[in-house]
Amino acid sequence: NAGVTQTPKFRILKIGQSMTLQCTQDMNHNYMYWYRQDPGMGLKLIYYSVGAGITDKGEVPNGYNVSRSTTEDFPLRLELAAPSQTSVYFCASSPGHNTEAFFGQGTRLTVV
Amino acid sequence: RKEVEQDPGPFNVPEGATVAFNCTYSNSASQSFFWYRQDCRKEPKLLMSVYSSGNEDGRFTAQLNRASQYISLLIRDSKLSDSATYLCVVSPNFNKFYFGSGTKLNVKP
Repeated sequence: NAGVTQTPKFRILKIGQSMTLQCTQDMNHNYMYWYRQDPGMGLKLIYYSVGAGITDKGEVPNGYNVSRSTTEDFPLRLELAAPSQTSVYFCASSPGHNTEAFFGQGTRLTVV
Repeated sequence: RKEVEQDPGPFNVPEGATVAFNCTYSNSASQSFFWYRQDCRKEPKLLMSVYSSGNEDGRFTAQLNRASQYISLLIRDSKLSDSATYLCVVSPNFNKFYFGSGTKLNVKP
């Protein structure tokens, strides 16, 4: 049972480059989330989705975009990478409103 | 004001000790509350949900105080394997989870 899978696990980007962080879940969860975690800090919500075709901004959406064309996939796009986007990115899913969130293993991104 | 605030610690305790963490939240309309555990360089994992009546799971007890807007986690008989960062999570009615910055626990032999 794979759960939530994120790729890549690590990535180094140059300033101004773009990339897509992939997230897929096999639990048929409607709710999916993208968080970033800076060192010594809690998780901050970037974007979330309550179902295929529906996305909404979280606390820190600037510099990111998402799409949700299927229930399984929720990719996060960085268009013009900046050093401030150096962080660990976690994707999560949950089966419903106010229930447990299951996390992927994270993507460590460094922008230089 | 932050949605969720926690003492960052670290809490350094000997094996067998009892340790308690508190967490305060700002949104009085919050509906769901959780404690997550995060090991170094790993993803957060659910430790336990926090119910209005309080709940216990083995050595772990969680309490919710809505009037004062805080939740607590008590760990009895600490084990070396309890060393981790404990994240307080609060969810309002609109499909979001707000995470505290975590409290670091070090259990020493």
